[in-house]
Amino acid sequence: QKEVEQNSGPLSVPEGAIASLNCTYSDRGSQSFFWYRQYSGKSPELIMSIYSNGDKEDGRFTAQLNKASQYVSLLIRDSQPSDSATYLCAVNEKHRGSYIPTFGRGTSLIVHP
Amino acid sequence: GAGVSQTPSNKVTEKGKYVELRCDPISGHTALYWYRQSLGQGPEFLIYFQGTGAADDSGLPNDRFFAVRPEGSVSTLKIQRTERGDSAVYLCASSPGGGDEQFFGPGTRLTVL
Repeated sequence: QKEVEQNSGPLSVPEGAIASLNCTYSDRGSQSFFWYRQYSGKSPELIMSIYSNGDKEDGRFTAQLNKASQYVSLLIRDSQPSDSATYLCAVNEKHRGSYIPTFGRGTSLIVHP
Repeated sequence: GAGVSQTPSNKVTEKGKYVELRCDPISGHTALYWYRQSLGQGPEFLIYFQGTGAADDSGLPNDRFFAVRPEGSVSTLKIQRTERGDSAVYLCASSPGGGDEQFFGPGTRLTVL
């Protein structure tokens, strides 16, 4: 059973702090990794994609990938109350010749003023 | 441009009835995915289309579930003899090609009484 694991949280951080969200996966053959944000009652929205080991930065967001440790993380700098949402980690895993995303259950982030 | 659209936004039905859920992907996107999401969980993969064909339908829970995409654009998810356990939010996503970043529709909330 291929798995994507996330701590469900909630992770609570003060406004302006760095929020660190973590994800581990079981399929060593995975090549593509994604972070989605999902506000309550809404659908997931893509934040970041990462394909190579190391860091990828986009504004206040940094995705980090370590394939050897099967670990991907998302850092949110200068956290804002509007960042409060559930963050979903998705890993593309090869299945029947196609790459199918497997999602974690998500980590709930609360940024308090 | 227009994003992914799904209709209806809400569907309430009685146990044993038949329902159809529609997804209209972003124009030009060849890949289309259906997911089911229950409260507190990440999206659960149901089926993936590449063009008109179902490239992977391994996530469909049983033969009551069926999906089509006859012209390679709009897709319909069909559920026969609905059960209370089918109640969930059904999400559709499209991407330019398989394995790429996905763009989600707003979802259809299905309630089976």
